[in-house]
Amino acid sequence: GQNIDQPTEMTATEGAIVQINCTYQTSGFNGLFWYQQHAGEAPTFLSYNVLDGLEEKGRFSSFLSRSKGYSYLLLKELQMKDSASYLCAVRDPGSGGYQKVTFGTGTKLQVIP
Amino acid sequence: DGGITQSPKYLFRKEGQNVTLSCEQNLNHDAMYWYRQDPGQGLRLIYYSQIVNDFQKGDIAEGYSVSREKKESFPLTVTSAQKNPTAFYLCASREITGELFFGEGSRLTVL
Repeated sequence: GQNIDQPTEMTATEGAIVQINCTYQTSGFNGLFWYQQHAGEAPTFLSYNVLDGLEEKGRFSSFLSRSKGYSYLLLKELQMKDSASYLCAVRDPGSGGYQKVTFGTGTKLQVIP
Repeated sequence: DGGITQSPKYLFRKEGQNVTLSCEQNLNHDAMYWYRQDPGQGLRLIYYSQIVNDFQKGDIAEGYSVSREKKESFPLTVTSAQKNPTAFYLCASREITGELFFGEGSRLTVL
């Protein structure tokens, strides 16, 4: 089965750096995703890690350690518009060629002035 | 423009009625997914389909049914057997790289 854990809520100050952690225990692993979701909207893609290490994309970076079942999303120079939920998701190769994508419960980030 | 279209955006249903949520994509993606999201919660997988005429149950398939007769279409039926159907429903298709593209969602309310 799949178990993906993230903190429920976090608060950070505008201009600061925040790290959102995700740990996972899955029957298979074929990549980890981070999505951003503003209230009432669909999730939008932020990053994808399949190999260990850090992937940087502008103000956002994502890290993966497959041996530890651990990932984090790093947001730099926080802006008020970054207030949203951040969802960690794991792609499981499954069986019979079915690629199951399972999401964690999400971390609601509030950026304060 | 390529994308995923879900309809209706808002839907009200009386108890005991079946309703069908539409999901259409023109991204030429093989794999499609249905998720349910409750307030303050993450996404839970209902059904997913890798190819036409084939699909798999997700983690919360009870009370739901799907079909995949065409590559572009993956409709979800919420049946009267689903005891707590009020939720936000999201359809997605998967790029070959693994990234999921989501529709704007359908918000179902049971009266």
